[in-house]
Amino acid sequence: EAGVTQFPSHSVIEKGQTVTLRCDPISGHDNLYWYRRVMGKEIKFLLHFVKESKQDESGMPNNRFLAERTGGTYSTLKVQPAELEDSGVYFCASSQSQGIRSPLHFGNGTRLTVT
Amino acid sequence: AQSVSQHNHHVILSEAASLELGCNYSYGGTVNLFWYVQYPGQHLQLLLKYFSGDPLVKGIKGFEAEFIKSKFSFTLRKPSVQWSDTAEYFCAADSYGNNRLAFGKGNQVVVIP
Repeated sequence: EAGVTQFPSHSVIEKGQTVTLRCDPISGHDNLYWYRRVMGKEIKFLLHFVKESKQDESGMPNNRFLAERTGGTYSTLKVQPAELEDSGVYFCASSQSQGIRSPLHFGNGTRLTVT
Repeated sequence: AQSVSQHNHHVILSEAASLELGCNYSYGGTVNLFWYVQYPGQHLQLLLKYFSGDPLVKGIKGFEAEFIKSKFSFTLRKPSVQWSDTAEYFCAADSYGNNRLAFGKGNQVVVIP
């Protein structure tokens, strides 16, 4: 089966610009998660979709971040306007069901650099 | 909020040496524990997990981990590393039971041939 794919793999933008990251989960996986790793720090949870609904968005840092999952398939994470501290690696993961016994499958991540 | 700490963020070993990576978590209730690995240029992969039962768990590629509840620890071990074990290793905990993981900062492990 195809894994979780993320696009782009790298993005370099200037402060104030907008960037949209995309995640395609494994087909049939209703649960989709976004995580972020700022350089030198932990990978942190951002939010969790179940199909098209936001189950938990408590990890979103501020209202410059907008995640969507229209139709319950792929998801986008938009940062507008980007700030320097948004630089990091954004990971997407999916799982078949919500419980912890349904393993997470991660994508390769998108490395975002804001200059 | 739960938190996970990992020490010795950079580890350099020779092949055939033993590897031990420590992990401590802060949550006092029921917690599910994981070790993930990220090889260069690849995605995060699950090495092993602990939910309950035998505190010694075996994972893929010869890795094992020991859960010690009294010490809030989940230690990863491999008796004899190979060059291909060069990677970054992450400990993670979930106290919500829904894959909302708290990760440690990671251990960058380099194995010298």
